[in-house]
Amino acid sequence: AQSVTQPDIHITVSEGASLELRCNYSYGATPYLFWYVQSPGQGLQLLLKYFSGDTLVQGIKGFEAEFKRSQSSFNLRKPSVHWSDAAEYFCAVGGADGLTFGKGTHLIIQP
Amino acid sequence: SAVISQKPSRDICQRGTSLTIQCQVDSQVTMMFWYRQQPGQSLTLIATANQGSEATYESGFVIDKFPISRPNLTFSTLTVSNMSPEDSSIYLCSGYSYGYTFGSGTRLTVV
Repeated sequence: AQSVTQPDIHITVSEGASLELRCNYSYGATPYLFWYVQSPGQGLQLLLKYFSGDTLVQGIKGFEAEFKRSQSSFNLRKPSVHWSDAAEYFCAVGGADGLTFGKGTHLIIQP
Repeated sequence: SAVISQKPSRDICQRGTSLTIQCQVDSQVTMMFWYRQQPGQSLTLIATANQGSEATYESGFVIDKFPISRPNLTFSTLTVSNMSPEDSSIYLCSGYSYGYTFGSGTRLTVV
């Protein structure tokens, strides 16, 4: 069965500092991997996705993620966070049969 | 990518009643899915909506409680039946066609 682990429930980062959100997955085949962001009271917004090819994926809002097959990881990074990045971040894995989501990481930005 | 219109965006319902949520996609999608996000939790897949046939439900979800229809490749409904306060959640539909798109969600409160 597929699963996603986001080990950090909460992360606090100072504005302008770099960010890395961790995601580990378990999937029986070549995974499709996704990062979504959800602001309070809002729907899900896709930040980036990995299907195949280059393992470093660029997304919107200055985010990037790196797929490491040997570590079953797909960590999300941003070189300099902005206060507007405060939100819930979800990593997800799956194919054409639906997605399995991690429990999410709540990102807090300190001024 | 496809755009999904989901309605209603929110509702407050009496226990014991039913609510039907609709999702309309602006283009044909191969697969459609329904998810539940309980308060403060991640997303859980309820079922895959199959065109012209019965939906495929995940463990813990049953057709009597969450009947689903998908009459064509661009439309699906989810009904939450005989509601109780435990059904208070955000319900999201998703379409898959070379990538996932999500509706904006229905925030359901059962009183």
